[in-house]
Amino acid sequence: GAGVSQSPRYKVAKRGQDVALRCDPISGHVSLFWYQQALGQGPEFLTYFQNEAQLDKSGLPSDRFFAERPEGSVSTLKIQRTQQEDSAVYLCASSSRPQQTGTGVSYEQYFGPGTRLTVT
Amino acid sequence: DAKTTQPPSMDCAEGRAANLPCNHSTISGNEYVYWYRQIHSQGPQYIIHGLKNNETNEMASLIITEDRKSSTLILPHATLRDTAVYYCIVRVSGTASKLTFGTGTRLQVTL
Repeated sequence: GAGVSQSPRYKVAKRGQDVALRCDPISGHVSLFWYQQALGQGPEFLTYFQNEAQLDKSGLPSDRFFAERPEGSVSTLKIQRTQQEDSAVYLCASSSRPQQTGTGVSYEQYFGPGTRLTVT
Repeated sequence: DAKTTQPPSMDCAEGRAANLPCNHSTISGNEYVYWYRQIHSQGPQYIIHGLKNNETNEMASLIITEDRKSSTLILPHATLRDTAVYYCIVRVSGTASKLTFGTGTRLQVTL
């Protein structure tokens, strides 16, 4: 079946512009995560939704970052007044209801390909 | 979540087993060891996870020491397609919790 999709795959923005990044999770997945990955680093958590509720936004680096998931499916990450330090790959991941496995409860996260944002 | 330590890079010949170590000396009793990998220009991909017993699936095997302070991910017959950054992550199960990635191990599989 279809995996997690993200659009656009690449975005170039001039410093000060607003951008909106879209994530389409796997159909029926309850949990949705956003991560930011700087060049040469591992992904870093930004925010988490369970259905339409944003349960954790502790990783958002500033109040210029805003995420929403109004109907509990598609999510948008918005960055206002972009700065050069916002240049990174933005990854979205979704997770279904917990799966009981032989190794306990699994919360496997499925990642999209990411959106590479370059702020010039 | 507990901090993990991995070597920054490793090489492996194609067809050989790749053994990727991870130290997690401060792991708590309710924390699992997860492995993800990230192939260039793609999002991370789940590989395997375990609590204290050794685990095996179609992709890899996970060996966790008896004291749970370290683990090894084993790719039994590495191929060029296994070239990627491998992340060892420790996290509490029972929650749909965030993943805390480190810098991982960059595995280069060569001919």
